[in-house]
Amino acid sequence: AQSVTQLDSQVPVFEEAPVELRCNYSSSVSVYLFWYVQYPNQGLQLLLKYLSGSTLVESINGFEAEFNKSQTSFHLRKPSVHISDTAEYFCAVTQTQGGSEKLVFGKGTKLTVNP
Amino acid sequence: NAGVTQTPKFRVLKTGQSMTLLCAQDMNHEYMYWYRQDPGMGLRLIHYSVGEGTTAKGEVPDGYNVSRLKKQNFLLGLESAAPSQTSVYFCASRPRFASYEQYFGPGTRLTVT
Repeated sequence: AQSVTQLDSQVPVFEEAPVELRCNYSSSVSVYLFWYVQYPNQGLQLLLKYLSGSTLVESINGFEAEFNKSQTSFHLRKPSVHISDTAEYFCAVTQTQGGSEKLVFGKGTKLTVNP
Repeated sequence: NAGVTQTPKFRVLKTGQSMTLLCAQDMNHEYMYWYRQDPGMGLRLIHYSVGEGTTAKGEVPDGYNVSRLKKQNFLLGLESAAPSQTSVYFCASRPRFASYEQYFGPGTRLTVT
């Protein structure tokens, strides 16, 4: 079974600093990878996804993630964060079981951007 | 297009009471999911459905039942609530043939006293 490890449960940074949120997954078989963001008291929203093709994927608000098959990682980065990026971020990977695909989530990383 | 909606948004139950959480989606998605979110635990899959009339157990199904009588609705039932079921519950859906992206509802915050 797949597992997802988000190495940092909390990441505090100052505004305009770069940030990296780390994600590793367990299986080396073909997978699809996702980052979701959850703002306070809201549901989860898709931030970006890797399905195939270029290993570097970008979101519309400046985040990017790189799929590294050899290291089974999908780290999320942003070169300059804003206060509004304060949220919890979840890495997820597909798992095929019983003929259907499910998402396995990491435990989340709380990003706090301080002024 | 409302997406995925959940009813109610908040609920407080006493131990032993029962309730049903309703998830509705208007995107004609085949797959629907129920998760619970607890601090430091991420999202854990309770039950899921790959189509009308079918359901399957996820990672943490004990104490919950589900039904998918209509394609657009997925109900999560607690027959006898326990304090351990205090959590935030999220419903999600996705189309069968697509990018595996799941679309989430806004959540239901349930407290069992």
